[in-house]
This record gives sequence, structure tokens and C-alpha cells, in this order.
Amino acid sequence: AAGVIQSPRHLIKEKRETATLKCYPIPRHDTVYWYQQGPGQDPQFLISFYEKMQSDKGSIPDRFSAQQFSDYHSELNMSSLELGDSALYFCASSLRTGGPLEQYFGPGTRLTVT
Amino acid sequence: AQKVTQAQTEISVVEKEDVTLDCVYETRDTTYYLFWYKQPPSGELVFLIRRNSFDEQNEISGRYSWNFQKSTSSFNFTITASQVVDSAVYFCALSERQGAQKLVFGQGTRLTINP
Repeated sequence: AAGVIQSPRHLIKEKRETATLKCYPIPRHDTVYWYQQGPGQDPQFLISFYEKMQSDKGSIPDRFSAQQFSDYHSELNMSSLELGDSALYFCASSLRTGGPLEQYFGPGTRLTVT
Repeated sequence: AQKVTQAQTEISVVEKEDVTLDCVYETRDTTYYLFWYKQPPSGELVFLIRRNSFDEQNEISGRYSWNFQKSTSSFNFTITASQVVDSAVYFCALSERQGAQKLVFGQGTRLTINP
């Protein structure tokens, strides 16, 4: 069965640089979520999109922005990177409309800021 | 506000022992969903189970079982006859019916199964 695809899997950036993470949800899923997991931490919700519209916002810094495109893939854009942005970034998708609601996670993008 | 507490930070047992991971949650919603996810050393988050707040029936799937008790706001996870491959960090999570249904995770329990 198709899973959530994230790219790149690993990314190394320097402070003050910009990074773009991509997420391709499971086909026919209508909702995409982004989470950030710091070392030894639990995943923290950043932002979500339902049918290409932003539906909720969590603890996402102003330096970050995200969008969902017409083909349902989503991108998380991160600017002015800081050392503290080093983390595992997960994208998850679910079928909210009439679906079982489980969020299926991608393999994550490990971002290292040096 | 939603909150999930996993009081056990780390658990270490010998293979074939039974082990229970505790999860306590807080929510004001009457309709909500509880989840367990497994995060093996490779890092991915693997969905294990979802329970609805209106369904307190316990569930068994192979060596895994879940005990949901609304009276104590708990959703505990038991692994019977543990195996080395069960070694991972396990997260309990909660989402509410209203809104975007984001997941709120507990702090996670690192489970180590020793041969």
C-alpha cells in the first residue's frame, strides 16, 4: 500500500539558510499535518491543511511557512534557520471526511543545522 | 486543553516477560480519539491502534492488548511475551473530535527488551 512520502530524508543546512521540506500524502487523503520532533522529545504539532486550506496552527515559528498544492502535496518552508531547528520533521496524512481518522506518518526528514 | 501523560520514561525487561505501558489523558471534549504509535530506532512513527471515546471495549491484536478506562482516563498498552523487536519508543496520543484533530503526544516510553 502507498505510504506518505517525504523528501529529502536528510538535510544539512547552515545557520540563517533556508530549507524546504516536501510531503506527498497517501492518495485520496484530504488532510496533511506537519510535526517537529526534537532529540529525545515527543512530536509537536506545527500546522495542518484540510483540502488545501490551512485548518490549524500549532507552535510554528513565524520563520516557517507551509502550503498545500492542488495535487495535495505540501511543502514546509523554513527560513533564517537556527541551531534549535535541528529536528526530525514528520508529515502525516489522514482521511478526515468519512474516514477512520488515523494519521499515517511519513519516514521524516532529519534536518541538521550547523 | 488536551494533555497526555506517560509517566514511565524508560522500561527494561527480559525477553518473554509481559510489560504494560501506562497512558493517562486529559480532555474537555466528550468525543475524542486515543492512539498508540511505535517509534523504532530507525525513527519512523508506526500506527498501532485508535480507540474512540465512546467505545470502551478492550482490544487484542496478537501479543498486543489495550485497556481503555474512561473512569480513570487511562489507555494502557500491554505487550505479552515481549520480543527484542518490540524495543522502541512508544507514544500515546490524543485528538479531539472538533477542529483539525491534531495529535497531542505523551512524552513517550522507551522500552528495551533484553535477550
